[in-house]
Amino acid sequence: QLQESGPGLVKPSETLSLTCTVSGGSISRSYWSWIRQPPGKGLEWIGYIYYSGGTNYNPSLESRVTISIDKSKNHFSLKMSSVTAADTAVYYCALGDGSYFDYWGQGTLVTVSS
Amino acid sequence: EIVMTQSPATLSVSPGERATLSCRASQSVSSNLAWYQQKPGQAPRLLIYAASTRATGVPASFSGSGSGTEFTLTITSLQSEDFAVYYCQQYKNWPPSWTFGQGTKVEVK
Repeated sequence: QLQESGPGLVKPSETLSLTCTVSGGSISRSYWSWIRQPPGKGLEWIGYIYYSGGTNYNPSLESRVTISIDKSKNHFSLKMSSVTAADTAVYYCALGDGSYFDYWGQGTLVTVSS
Repeated sequence: EIVMTQSPATLSVSPGERATLSCRASQSVSSNLAWYQQKPGQAPRLLIYAASTRATGVPASFSGSGSGTEFTLTITSLQSEDFAVYYCQQYKNWPPSWTFGQGTKVEVK
């Protein structure tokens, strides 16, 4: 199971920080992604981290995004800097094999507002 | 970036009828395509990968077809639990820049 956690409200220009905790299995395998969905809109892949630490990001977000992994805590994290209202969305963490996404967290709504 | 375009945006279907959803890629993605189902307030659920392979636990009423740039998701005999939004996703690129379609909402007619 995957469970997202983090602040539900972030101020404009600040950094959004979320964690995805993996339970019932080891994080030391496969690709771990972040995906977001603005209210009433479609899905956008943000990036992934491979269990060994390699990362890849959506080019449109790459300059503001960092994904990291902590295998000792069985979790991985997302940091997105300089957020604006356009970053308001439900953020999902997901597990895949480097292609599609087999398992998803329930999602967490992050609102960017002062 | 590979752009995925789904049609129609909304599909009105009566229970028990067949639904046919389309997904088009702006360039060939071979068979590197997945379909997801999303119900209100829930995370997406993987239905189909490799264009036509059903994920574990997905009923046989769901089928996927196509390759290259044109793909179809067919739901035969719609049940009440099948009314939802469906997304396609390509995963051809490497290094990845995976993209989703904008979704098709299947609603009760």
